[in-house]
Amino acid sequence: DIQMTQSPSSLSASVGDRVTITCRASESVNSYLNWYQQKPGKAPNLLIYATSSLQSGVPSRFSGSGSGTDFTLTISSLQPEDFATYYCQQSYSIPITFGGGTKVEI
Amino acid sequence: EVQVVESGGGLVQSGGSLRLSCAASGFTFSRYWMHWVRQAPGKGLVWVSRINNDGSRTKYADSVKGRFTISRDNAKNTLYLQMDSLRAEDTGVYYCARDHYDFWSGYYWDSWGQGTLVTVSS
Repeated sequence: DIQMTQSPSSLSASVGDRVTITCRASESVNSYLNWYQQKPGKAPNLLIYATSSLQSGVPSRFSGSGSGTDFTLTISSLQPEDFATYYCQQSYSIPITFGGGTKVEI
Repeated sequence: EVQVVESGGGLVQSGGSLRLSCAASGFTFSRYWMHWVRQAPGKGLVWVSRINNDGSRTKYADSVKGRFTISRDNAKNTLYLQMDSLRAEDTGVYYCARDHYDFWSGYYWDSWGQGTLVTVSS
């Protein structure tokens, strides 16, 4: 199984900050790396697919980069509605696996 | 509007069974692969199972293999998860998700239900 490791597991930030979350795969997942945002009591919501493609309707302050085993989600200017937990997901091989999540707090 | 809505969760004793349903609307259900994923209270997301568009191919996480069965009825636009021999560690919110695939971007889940809570008491 491909293990996905996210860091940090939590972070404190302020509105307007630039936030970077990293995700490392235990082996190459090519570019099959997706990012989801989850707010408390809600279902996850797709932000970024295929490493760097922005899902329709997602604000452009979100961006993704990386390749192979190392990936990054960046929020260029944190907004109040961005306080949530973020998960990376590899869809390269079964079993599909997620990172442990990064909780972004004030 | 693309929508998937789960139902069927509840409280069950260890060793018992439940069947979850996921009703799809707003898209051609028979064209899409579908997944179940779960989330234990306060924990992260864990993939459970996948089914292809016509129901002929399925995959399971090792933790549920032999106990859970994924299926679909394309005439009813509904996905199912039959859960047998339930254990306390199966407790959590179960989500169904639509799998979108294209050659350039690979696989990603672009529509999720609101989830249904399964509680297994020991």
